[in-house]
Amino acid sequence: RKEVEQDPGPFNVPEGATVAFNCTYSNSASQSFFWYRQDCRKEPKLLMSVYSSGNEDGRFTAQLNRASQYISLLIRDSKLSDSATYLCVVNPGGANNLFFGTGTRLTVIP
Amino acid sequence: NAGVTQTPKFRVLKTGQSMTLLCAQDMNHEYMYWYRQDPGMGLRLIHYSVGEGTTAKGEVPDGYNVSRLKKQNFLLGLESAAPSQTSVYFCASTSRLGYGYTFGSGTRLTVV
Repeated sequence: RKEVEQDPGPFNVPEGATVAFNCTYSNSASQSFFWYRQDCRKEPKLLMSVYSSGNEDGRFTAQLNRASQYISLLIRDSKLSDSATYLCVVNPGGANNLFFGTGTRLTVIP
Repeated sequence: NAGVTQTPKFRVLKTGQSMTLLCAQDMNHEYMYWYRQDPGMGLRLIHYSVGEGTTAKGEVPDGYNVSRLKKQNFLLGLESAAPSQTSVYFCASTSRLGYGYTFGSGTRLTVV
């Protein structure tokens, strides 16, 4: 079983739509969680950390459900510039410490 | 502030050739990592370092060696390149465990 699993998509949504991505992780002892964004042929960049209480950054909301080992990312009022691949990332602990999902591709359509 | 810099950005090697990829960070980060990214596979950890002079194996270390002689530099070596090592290689660093990583812009390597 993979450490982190994501729906690869693609998700094609119109501008202004709300879209949600989900991710599950296998290690119940995992300690920290992130969403990264990766543009085509670019490096991954940290979008936001995910906290147990849930957190919001502008149009982006991240949620963590430890009991179900499930992480989500909600994007409201989608912009063309949101088109990218979104990577779910989990830290199971220790120095060898981040596991990356394969990513969910989002295309926002005019 | 340059962050994490990788060189070269592109390279084509013939099977059996060797090369070294350089990662340099100017953020005084302790922890450094080398990943490879292949279609449908996500990022996979090759080797990592928890400080100057230390290295450790990740998920896919075979065919690669690393060195961290200076805190700011983390080198990835391919001793005898194989077509299976065609990939995009990313270096990353972080100041503390459990924090997010800063990535370099990547090296696109093709082995023919």
